[in-house]
Amino acid sequence: AQSVSQHNHHVILSEAASLELGCNYSYGGTVNLFWYVQYPGQHLQLLLKYFSGDPLVKGIKGFEAEFIKSKFSFNLRKPSVQWSDTAEYFCAVNRAGGFKTIFGAGTRLFVKA
Amino acid sequence: SQTIHQWPATLVQPVGSPLSLECTVEGTSNPNLYWYRQAAGRGLQLLFYSVGIGQISSEVPQNLSASRPQDRQFILSSKKLLLSDSGFYLCAWLRTSGRVLGELFFGEGSRLTVL
Repeated sequence: AQSVSQHNHHVILSEAASLELGCNYSYGGTVNLFWYVQYPGQHLQLLLKYFSGDPLVKGIKGFEAEFIKSKFSFNLRKPSVQWSDTAEYFCAVNRAGGFKTIFGAGTRLFVKA
Repeated sequence: SQTIHQWPATLVQPVGSPLSLECTVEGTSNPNLYWYRQAAGRGLQLLFYSVGIGQISSEVPQNLSASRPQDRQFILSSKKLLLSDSGFYLCAWLRTSGRVLGELFFGEGSRLTVL
């Protein structure tokens, strides 16, 4: 069965620090990969996605993620975080052509102003 | 544009009482619909999904059931709530482009507290 593992449950950073959130998945076939974000008081929304092509994908608000197939990883990065990036971040995967999207446990990011 | 609505937003129910959470989608036809439960530190757990009217797939054996009486309506139910049913329930629809399955769009969520 598919599963998604996020390495950090809570991360605290100061503004302007760099961010990297780890995500690994377990599935040997072709997958679609996603990062979703939930800002305080808001609903879940898509941050970025990877379907195929360039393994380095860019999303909204300066976020990017790199798909490394050999490592089954899809880590999220941002060079310089802002206070407004405080949120919970979820990595997710679905099997290409499949109906189910599986989520990781989430990482709560708190950025100190 | 597509929108997704859930209600009620907040619900407090006694143990043993029934439950009905509703989700409707506008602006799309024949959507794939999903119910997830979000618990702190555990991410989103897929409960049910539906690819069409009357078609329900259950992912986790539990005290809950789902129904899809209309194309754009998805209902989460229980006959008798348990304390462990407390949580934040999210409805979502999956955007598709031909045979390519894309990202999920989520509703605002329904927070259920069972006392």
